Amino acid sequence: DIQMTQSPSSLSASVGDRVTITCRASQGIANYLAWYQQKPGKVPNLLIYAASTLRSGVPSRFSGSGSGTDFTLTISSLQPEDVATYYCQKYDSAPTFGPGTKVDLK
Amino acid sequence: EVQLVESGGDLVEPGGSLRLSCAASGFTFTNAWMSWVRQAPGKGLEWVGRIESKADGGTVDYAAPVKGRFTISRDDSKTTVYLQMNSLKTEDTAVYHCTTGIRSGYYTAWGQGTLVTVSS
Repeated sequence: DIQMTQSPSSLSASVGDRVTITCRASQGIANYLAWYQQKPGKVPNLLIYAASTLRSGVPSRFSGSGSGTDFTLTISSLQPEDVATYYCQKYDSAPTFGPGTKVDLK
Repeated sequence: EVQLVESGGDLVEPGGSLRLSCAASGFTFTNAWMSWVRQAPGKGLEWVGRIESKADGGTVDYAAPVKGRFTISRDDSKTTVYLQMNSLKTEDTAVYHCTTGIRSGYYTAWGQGTLVTVSS
């Protein structure tokens, strides 16, 4: 089975900072990679699919990149409303989520 | 507007059974692949399983921890998907979400979830 890892597991950043979260697959998954944002007490919300395609309505400060085994979610300028846990998910075959990265404000 | 509403969560003893339902509306249910994703208290997301649309073959896949114990089915006439859970274990305690991306593998709509607690 393909395993998904994320780093870091948590981070603290200031408003306006550039934030980068990494997701790694144990085997190649082409670009079958999605990113979700989950705010406390809420259901997950899809941000990005196909590794780099921004879902309609998602702020442009979010971006994704990568293919194969290494992927990145970037928030170009962190906003207070971005405090959340972020999950990557592979969907080439059996879907698998990464363990999550918790983002809060410094 | 896409809506997914789960029901059926409860407190059940280890070894017991429970059936969850997810009523869907706002999209063409017959075309949709429906999935269940769970989240244990304070933990991350875990994919449980998925059922394809009948037109795409109706294949059902399960995550390893639930294979052989859980069964996903669908009733297209009721636009409802079910999760039958047998031989429940304490580690199955979680909020169970119904979710879909219609025919994609990523999920564009999520239900609010229903809480399953397995405890004696």
